Amino acid sequence: DAGVTQSPTHLIKTRGQHVTLRCSPISGHKSVSWYQQVLGQGPQFIFQYYEKEERGRGNFPDRFSARQFPNYSSELNVNALLLGDSALYLCASSLLGEANEKLFFGSGTQLSVL
Amino acid sequence: AQTVTQSQPEMSVQEAETVTLSCTYDTSENNYYLFWYKQPPSRQMILVIRQEAYKQQNATENRFSVNFQKAAKSFSLKISDSQLGDTAMYFCAFLTSGTYKYIFGTGTRLKVLA
Repeated sequence: DAGVTQSPTHLIKTRGQHVTLRCSPISGHKSVSWYQQVLGQGPQFIFQYYEKEERGRGNFPDRFSARQFPNYSSELNVNALLLGDSALYLCASSLLGEANEKLFFGSGTQLSVL
Repeated sequence: AQTVTQSQPEMSVQEAETVTLSCTYDTSENNYYLFWYKQPPSRQMILVIRQEAYKQQNATENRFSVNFQKAAKSFSLKISDSQLGDTAMYFCAFLTSGTYKYIFGTGTRLKVLA
């Protein structure tokens, strides 16, 4: 079975542009979470979605948005990119998004903003 | 607000030896979960071990075990019989029961030496 897949693996953008990152969860998983990992730090929670509904949101500006599709895949959108948005963006999936469930992570999208 | 602190940025251990990684956290909650995740160079976060706060017994997974001291808010990871494949970043994480926002520490880079 395929694990969590993210695309693209690497991306270079310039300030002010927007970007869309994509995530496909493990088959059967209905919950997807997004994390931002800046170099030298631990991942920071951005969003969690379950059954296409936003369940939780971290302390990120409105430039960050996400959605989940009927097939449970998800997109993370970032508008008006800043240099500080350069980071590894990780997607994680779980069956129901409950606290006692194991999270399965993808290998991330490395975003560089120039 | 909850915080997670990992005070050891880097550690090294000889193959087959035992190493302990430290983690402290701060919370006023009584029901929560604690995790150790491993992030190898592939960037994919992998769950190593999980502890429910209401369980007094320390969690164990093969060569990995934790020392959970709830009163001291300490959650250390012990790796026995270290292997070269254990070389990775290790992140301690906290999750309040009923929420979806994992809080990660800044990580400890572990290098296993041959």
